[in-house]
Amino acid sequence: DQQVKQNSPSLSVQEGRISILNCDYTNSMFDYFLWYKKYPAEGPTFLISISSIKDKNEDGRFTVFLNKSAKHLSLHIVPSQPGDSAVYFCAGPQGGKLIFGQGTELSVKP
Amino acid sequence: DAGITQSPRHKVTETGTPVTLRCHQTENHRYMYWYRQDPGHGLRLIHYSYGVKDTDKGEVSDGYSVSRSKTEDFLLTLESATSSQTSVYFCATAFGGETQYFGPGTRLLVL
Repeated sequence: DQQVKQNSPSLSVQEGRISILNCDYTNSMFDYFLWYKKYPAEGPTFLISISSIKDKNEDGRFTVFLNKSAKHLSLHIVPSQPGDSAVYFCAGPQGGKLIFGQGTELSVKP
Repeated sequence: DAGITQSPRHKVTETGTPVTLRCHQTENHRYMYWYRQDPGHGLRLIHYSYGVKDTDKGEVSDGYSVSRSKTEDFLLTLESATSSQTSVYFCATAFGGETQYFGPGTRLLVL
């Protein structure tokens, strides 16, 4: 039973365009959600979060949208840069733990 | 970033041998976690700790044990390594169980 799902294993975007990474969840009890970014041969790093009482949170080029009725969140990166090429994980908290999605590998082409 | 180190960073071992991975943190975070990352599976929790000597199982705990005798150290032991345990292992810490900070990872190859 996967509570957090990222159904797109990969995404390719042209530099300067928008990248949209999607995440679906089944557990309505998540209080907030987090996005992590992971480069090859490095550990994941925290990117941005959103509280379940909000529908949008913005930090520079990164914006996360939450649609509670659809149990869906998305991460928008505008404009996309080659340095954004990485694996992105969404996660929800549960009892002191994080439940991660499978990840989406973003490739931003120059 | 939380000061998190993992050792060793790379290890090759043979099937049936015990292996211990170490996670060390300097941030005095209460929570510590061990994950494995495999293609198509994302990050899967092996074990976690919510205090010294307080540990619990994650979703993929079979074949693994952990110990936490000090706040700063969290050890992961593969009791008898198998080829299915070839993976990249990440340690993470959190102050209060929310945002987690990850170490650089350990690549383990079991032959």
